[in-house]
Amino acid sequence: EVQLVDSGGGLVQPGGSLKLSCKVSGFSISDSAIHWVRQAPGKGLEWVGRIRSGAYNSATAFGTSVKGRFTISRDDSTNTAYLQMNSLKIEDTAVYFCSRPIPNCGSVSCPFDSWGQGTLVTVSS
Amino acid sequence: DIVMTQSPDSLAVSLGERVTVNCKSGQSIIYNGKNSLAWYQHKPGQPPKLLIYWASTRESGVPARFSGSGSGTDFTLTITSLQPEDVAVYYCQQYYATPHTFGQGTKLEIK
Repeated sequence: EVQLVDSGGGLVQPGGSLKLSCKVSGFSISDSAIHWVRQAPGKGLEWVGRIRSGAYNSATAFGTSVKGRFTISRDDSTNTAYLQMNSLKIEDTAVYFCSRPIPNCGSVSCPFDSWGQGTLVTVSS
Repeated sequence: DIVMTQSPDSLAVSLGERVTVNCKSGQSIIYNGKNSLAWYQHKPGQPPKLLIYWASTRESGVPARFSGSGSGTDFTLTITSLQPEDVAVYYCQQYYATPHTFGQGTKLEIK
């Protein structure tokens, strides 16, 4: 069974840093991209970024609002992906979800069929 | 960035009635002849659920009352007969190019 468990959320001051984890089971993270999506309070879904599989050189990409502040990495030995968030702003307050694209959907980029439950990040002084 | 625009922002429909949600992309999202467009259902306290991808392919386990159509820049999610469990916010998403932008969401309620 495919499972994603995201964790690491909490309260952080503006300008601070936080690192979220996405522990997966039921598949090998080295063979899959992992995406991060967030939802601010009362707002819609926002794509944050992704890391591709090793077959695509673990390439990363990010949304406009987080580019240059967030990074994504992966530890294949523990089947865990990470979202490192630096220079946090109040508007980064959101529930953060990690997700996995459909395997072999017929394209390099695929929609997300498996999700973590989400972890809340609150940026406040 | 590819802007995804949904309409309406919200709607209230009677049980058993037909629901239509529209999504327009700011540019063509056709990849290798297929539209890189997905629909998700999102309920409070839960992660989003994938309903439709490639604009019209229903995800495994999704009820047949959900269907997707459209091509190029204009897409539609249809629920043929609204059920109580369909109350949720629905999002379209393009996965043609990063950032993989979502529409602003359409909130569906029972009339």
